[in-house]
Parts: sequence; C-alpha cells; structure tokens
Amino acid sequence: QQQVKQSPQSLIVQKGGISIINCAYENTAFDYFPWYQQFPGKGPALLIAIRPDVSEKKEGRFTISFNKSAKQFSLHIMDSQPGDSATYFCAAEETSGSRLTFGEGTQLTVNP
Amino acid sequence: EPEVTQTPSHQVTQMGQEVILRCVPISNHLYFYWYRQILGQKVEFLVSFYNNEISEKSEIFDDQFSVERPDGSNFTLKIRSTKLEDSAMYFCASSAESSYNSPLHFGNGTRLTVT
Repeated sequence: QQQVKQSPQSLIVQKGGISIINCAYENTAFDYFPWYQQFPGKGPALLIAIRPDVSEKKEGRFTISFNKSAKQFSLHIMDSQPGDSATYFCAAEETSGSRLTFGEGTQLTVNP
Repeated sequence: EPEVTQTPSHQVTQMGQEVILRCVPISNHLYFYWYRQILGQKVEFLVSFYNNEISEKSEIFDDQFSVERPDGSNFTLKIRSTKLEDSAMYFCASSAESSYNSPLHFGNGTRLTVT
C-alpha cells in the first residue's frame, strides 16, 4: 500500500515533442506529490510538486496533472529538449510522515 | 547555491567491515535524511533525523545501521557489519523544514561497494 507505481520505465521523445510520465498510488494518506529529476552521477533534484487541493500545476514547460479519485498523477514536459534527458522519479508523502516514497523511475531520452 | 556534500564519493569495503558515510548538510537546514538507490532501482528511504533524534526509519534501517550528528555540521551513516546487499548509492539529503513542507536537497551520493 506504500508503493508508488511509475510508467513507462523508459521513454524516447523527439526534440520539441511532449513527454508524459505516469504514476499511481494506493495509500490515500499521501497528500504531497513531488517529481524529482536525476542526472547521471548526481542526486535527485526537486522539479515540481503538487498537493491534492489542485488538479494541475504548471511551471514553465513542466506540468503536473493530478486525479485524486483515480489516485494517479502525471508529469508532462512540453517542447522537450535534449537537456531534459534524465531519470525522472515521482514520489509521494503523507502529512504526518517524514519520508518520501519514490516510484521506480523513468529514463527519458530526448533526441535532437 | 548551498549544496549537500558527501564523502567519500566511492567506498569499497569487504563484507563484515564497518563503514561510515559522511555528509555535510546545508547549514541552516534542520532535517536530515539518508536514502539509498540500488543500481538501476528506485530511491528508497532509510531514515530521517531531526532535533538530534531519529524521526522515522524504514524496515531497511535495522540494527546494523545508525546515524549521528557528531557536531554542528556533519551527519553520518554507519553500517556496522556490511553485507553484499548493502552495495548501493547512498544519498544524504537535508531540508529547512520537514520534507512535507520544504524540498529535499540531495547530495551527489556515496557509491558503496561491498565485496
């Protein structure tokens, strides 16, 4: 019940295309949903995050869509660039906790 | 921009040996964490630490693991008797408030190889 399921495992997109990564969760106590970006040899870095009081959050080319009833959320990267090539992790956390539960990760490759 | 720094970047040890992984969190942060990532797998929570005590720990964080903030700047993870399955990338992280309220800042990790 603590798991966060992420798909796809890998994704190849052409420059300028839209990248979409999906996550699903079971634990209804989760109410904070960040996305982290990780480049090779680096630690994860926070990209964007959402709380369930809104259904969408946009920051530049990055948008999170959140569907509370379906217990799903997704990351959309518009106008994908080669510099976006990285591993993306969704995560979730409960209000009362101090731990992030991560998804399995998606390796995104944006071809020039 | 302030960073979380971890040393060493790579540690090789023999099974059964003790290792200490070191971290210097961002100076004004109050919450400290260890996560690990086995090669090609997801990032897993180990432990969170606040006000000089463990706030939460996962089932992975058994009696072989311990954390300490020995002074005002360092945060360490000790594995008493390493096993082959402890081989992973260990990430230290810190945050100004709890991870629910403020972003985690991760270091670049220590790759632990147990032979």
